[in-house]
Amino acid sequence: DTEVTQTPKHLVMGMTNKKSLKCEQHMGHRAMYWYKQKAKKPPELMFVYSYEKLSINESVPSRFSPECPNSSLLNLHLHALQPEDSALYLCASSQPYGGGETQYFGPGTRLLVL
Amino acid sequence: AQSVAQPEDQVNVAEGNPLTVKCTYSVSGNPYLFWYVQYPNRGLQFLLKYITGDNLVKGSYGFEAEFNKSQTSFHLKKPSALVSDSALYFCAVRDGSGGYQKVTFGTGTKLQVIP
Repeated sequence: DTEVTQTPKHLVMGMTNKKSLKCEQHMGHRAMYWYKQKAKKPPELMFVYSYEKLSINESVPSRFSPECPNSSLLNLHLHALQPEDSALYLCASSQPYGGGETQYFGPGTRLLVL
Repeated sequence: AQSVAQPEDQVNVAEGNPLTVKCTYSVSGNPYLFWYVQYPNRGLQFLLKYITGDNLVKGSYGFEAEFNKSQTSFHLKKPSALVSDSALYFCAVRDGSGGYQKVTFGTGTKLQVIP
């Protein structure tokens, strides 16, 4: 099973709302990632969790707050977002060894900030 | 520093013809190279990767890629294109010189297979 699931598929929120994106994998991977992808652009890394600890934060604004409650789950909490934050948010997982391990991606959450 | 270049924004090929999507890379250590495909409004799907060993790597859906160290290239190929292969293709690289290195993605190449 190489499936990463993400909910919701679509999300529309106002700039004052608080919402959360969820990601789940059952492949036993101990590294999980959040990416942001604008249309027709490559994914941009936001956060990396390794063994449930935040190991990489790519200078992401504090209105994005990641959380890794356990080895299978990854959340991204959203608060006071801006319209330019509208994008496809992708979750991925892999083994955490930093070498040739494949990252497996979920289908993404399409976020629209009004 | 590591980087990857996909020189073509779009590649058009007739159905049944061979296809090539180009990728070149730059790393200081040994490269780990990946190809992903993305269909509209979907996540990235892993196609294949090169870590070490045979320079010709075979992957999913009949795709293959050839690692060329002297030309620092990792072009994606398929002998006979299908209309269903039409999608956005990303090459990615990770520097294997040690320690954690994030994956760097190319800018993507849109493949259009014409019936």
